[in-house]
Amino acid sequence: GAGVSQTPSNKVTEKGKYVELRCDPISGHTALYWYRQSLGQGPEFLIYFQGTGAADDSGLPNDRFFAVRPEGSVSTLKIQRTERGDSAVYLCASSPTLGGYGYTFGSGTRLTVV
Amino acid sequence: AQTVTQSQPEMSVQEAETVTLSCTYDTSESDYYLFWYKQPPSRQMILVIRQEAYKQQNATENRFSVNFQKAAKSFSLKISDSQLGDAAMYFCACTHNAGNMLTFGGGTRLMVKP
Repeated sequence: GAGVSQTPSNKVTEKGKYVELRCDPISGHTALYWYRQSLGQGPEFLIYFQGTGAADDSGLPNDRFFAVRPEGSVSTLKIQRTERGDSAVYLCASSPTLGGYGYTFGSGTRLTVV
Repeated sequence: AQTVTQSQPEMSVQEAETVTLSCTYDTSESDYYLFWYKQPPSRQMILVIRQEAYKQQNATENRFSVNFQKAAKSFSLKISDSQLGDAAMYFCACTHNAGNMLTFGGGTRLMVKP
């Protein structure tokens, strides 16, 4: 596609529920990144993929968070047993190769846990 | 590990005037890249300007320019002839080498007065 697409744009869920956030990168971009942006703060790195494999998942806060990219294109960020502290904007970015040099960001998913 | 600090939570500028946003960073890497991103209410992070650390010449992009002081680890953004459309959150970010995630500062909210 023309840009990085993230769905849904907004998601409200109840505490304890499971959610999936989807990222559709620019066609042909091999690298894909997830960031979390809490209110009033800068984005914080969660995980990045090179192709299908997670190259670095050191930013995932705990084992409730998991991300996949099974075919090297679309990625899904999965959050189990959501907590109110998970409320944030989740941003996805892709780039043609590894490197922050050529990032294109999506518009994010605003997750609200009530 | 890298850290990025933006000491100005908010800045205000009169339309057509010039404003400078501050950023300091810390990294142990010798090869790194610095960025300024703009985030409007649409939430998408938009690249404003980037600087390779090995280049001594300050980057410029139309009305946007940087003052890169490598020894002081300072990377400020100057916006000339400010326009109403420049109003947004601005984030400074750093990445080292290629293939790694961005580390963001906490952001500066820029307001432009007509």
